[in-house]
Amino acid sequence: EVQLVQSGAEVKKPGESLKISCKGSGYSFTSYWIGWVRQMPGKGLEWMGIIYPGDSDTRYSPSFQGQVTISADKSISTAYLQWSSLKASDTAMYYCARQGVRNGWFDPWGQGTLVTVSS
Amino acid sequence: VIWMTQSPSLLSASTGDRVIISCRMSQGISSYLAWYQQKPGKAPELLIYAASTLQSGVPSRFSGSGSGTDFTLTISCLQSEDFATYYCQQYYSFPYTFGQGTKLEIK
Repeated sequence: EVQLVQSGAEVKKPGESLKISCKGSGYSFTSYWIGWVRQMPGKGLEWMGIIYPGDSDTRYSPSFQGQVTISADKSISTAYLQWSSLKASDTAMYYCARQGVRNGWFDPWGQGTLVTVSS
Repeated sequence: VIWMTQSPSLLSASTGDRVIISCRMSQGISSYLAWYQQKPGKAPELLIYAASTLQSGVPSRFSGSGSGTDFTLTISCLQSEDFATYYCQQYYSFPYTFGQGTKLEIK
């Protein structure tokens, strides 16, 4: 069974750093893209960016370029989303999802990681 | 950036109804469109890709159509489990983008 399992909920203070993870199993991790999607409280889905773990090719949405870093460690089939200095406006649910090489839809999705940034 | 207009944002309907959700693009995207369903507290799930191809396991009451700039998701004969929020997504060009969402509620 193809599965993406994300790390647990985080509560952080503004200015702190954070790295959340997404571990893939049940498929060849290096043969698919992994994407990240933000969902702020009560709001819609926002496409943040994707990474191809096979060669670390990464694409960002202009809205998130420079605000977050997407990375992957193919040796442990895990993708990451990280912040160097969190803001209160980063409070959201973050989902990872798998994307095929020759298509752009996401399937399946991880269960989500809730990030809360509050002083 | 390709802008998407999804409508309506809120749709009230009854079990057994047929509903249509629209997604309009700011430029043509051929058939590079997907639809997702999201239930409260859950991750989104893929319903349709390539504008009209049903994902495995998705009931046949869901259907998608359109190409270019105008797309629709149709749910025929609504079931109780279909009340959720629906999103379209274009994957024609980076950055891939989602529509604003349509919340389907019980009338």
